[in-house]
Parts: sequence; C-alpha cells; structure tokens
Amino acid sequence: DVKVTQSSRYLVKRTGEKVFLECVQDMDHENMFWYRQDPGLGLRLIYFSYDVKMKEKGDIPEGYSVSREKKERFSLILESASTNQTSMYLCASGCWPRDRVVPNYGYTFGSGTRLTVV
Amino acid sequence: DAKTTQPNSMESNEEEPVHLPCNHSTISGTDYIHWYRQLPSQGPEYVIHGLTSNVNNRMASLAIAEDRKSSTLILHRATLRDAAVYYCILVYGQNFVFGPGTRLSVLP
Repeated sequence: DVKVTQSSRYLVKRTGEKVFLECVQDMDHENMFWYRQDPGLGLRLIYFSYDVKMKEKGDIPEGYSVSREKKERFSLILESASTNQTSMYLCASGCWPRDRVVPNYGYTFGSGTRLTVV
Repeated sequence: DAKTTQPNSMESNEEEPVHLPCNHSTISGTDYIHWYRQLPSQGPEYVIHGLTSNVNNRMASLAIAEDRKSSTLILHRATLRDAAVYYCILVYGQNFVFGPGTRLSVLP
C-alpha cells in the first residue's frame, strides 16, 4: 500500500516561529500536495508540486512556502507562524500524469498534522 | 475550476444501500470524477473514480450519467464504519479542489 507519512500528528508552536511540516511518500509519485482543513471551510489547497524543484500555488499560498528537493519529500514552511495558521494540515501524493494516462487509483493522503499556533 | 454540488448531509440505515448524488453541470470532456471520503480524525481516503462508464471496485460503485453532468456513488450495504464525509471532485491534470462534501450518518 502507498504510504504518505507526515512527520508530526500534533504540533504546538509560538507566534513568529518558523515551522516546517514534512511529508514523505514511498511510491515514487510525481505529484504532491499540501492542504489545510478548517471547520466550515473544508479542504483548501495551499501548494502543489508535480516534480522535484517544481511548485505551483494553490488557492491560499499566502504565508506559506514549500520545498521539494527530493521526489519523495514535500515540505511546507510557515516562515513566521501566526495564530490564523492554526489548522489541520494534510499532505497528499499521487500519480496523475499530464499525458493523461490514467492510473487505476487516486491520490493518497497522510493522517494530517494538527498545528496550534499560540 | 469546474464545481460540484452535493447535499450537505444524508442518513442511511445499517446494511441498506446508499446513493450519494453529485451534480457537476459544468464538467468538461477531460475532467475525471473522483470520490473520496474522510472518516473522523483521518485524512481523506480515495474511494473510486471514472470518466464516462460506470465503475465498480471493492469499496463502491460509481454511476455516471450519460451527459456526465451528474454522478452517484453507491455503497451497496452501509456499515457503521462508512459514516464519513464524502467528497465528489472533478480532476483535470494535477490539481483537484475539494467542495464541502456530504456528511453520511449510518444508523444502527
């Protein structure tokens, strides 16, 4: 089974701290995503990457950056954490090639990191 | 991005079939229809996807309307473990956007 592992299940950080959320997948997937999930707002896409060193902004990239130095690892960085970034963060990976060859499975999500900024 | 519309919530009795509807009237010819579900305190889980034809897998069936403007996820026998939020998503390329989904309650 594909595994997407997020480094921490729960994290508490102080306002202004630099925060790294790590995500690792073990299936050689090209595409990786970071979402945040908030009550009443659902899942919102922050950033995604379809290749090493490539990144694309999602719907809410402000206040975040990402790093993809290796294919299996996609990091989300909060440069200066703020209380409004308190949320559940979800990483996902998948193989949905741009040449439209369709694999017989969807994207796999990690279990999430619940980040609290105080 | 093409949008989907789902009922906010549905209820089902245990061991009965459940039909979860999704409208996607602005779907384009290249959009795939994906379904995911999210159990409490977990990340979303892939359920099934399709393009034009109906699809079956071990978890569920997906019925796609002939004009592709709607689809229905079918759980053949609901169990208490199927209680979750179900998301219908249109996927094109690498990006996919979640809507609010349908919260399914399963009554014993």
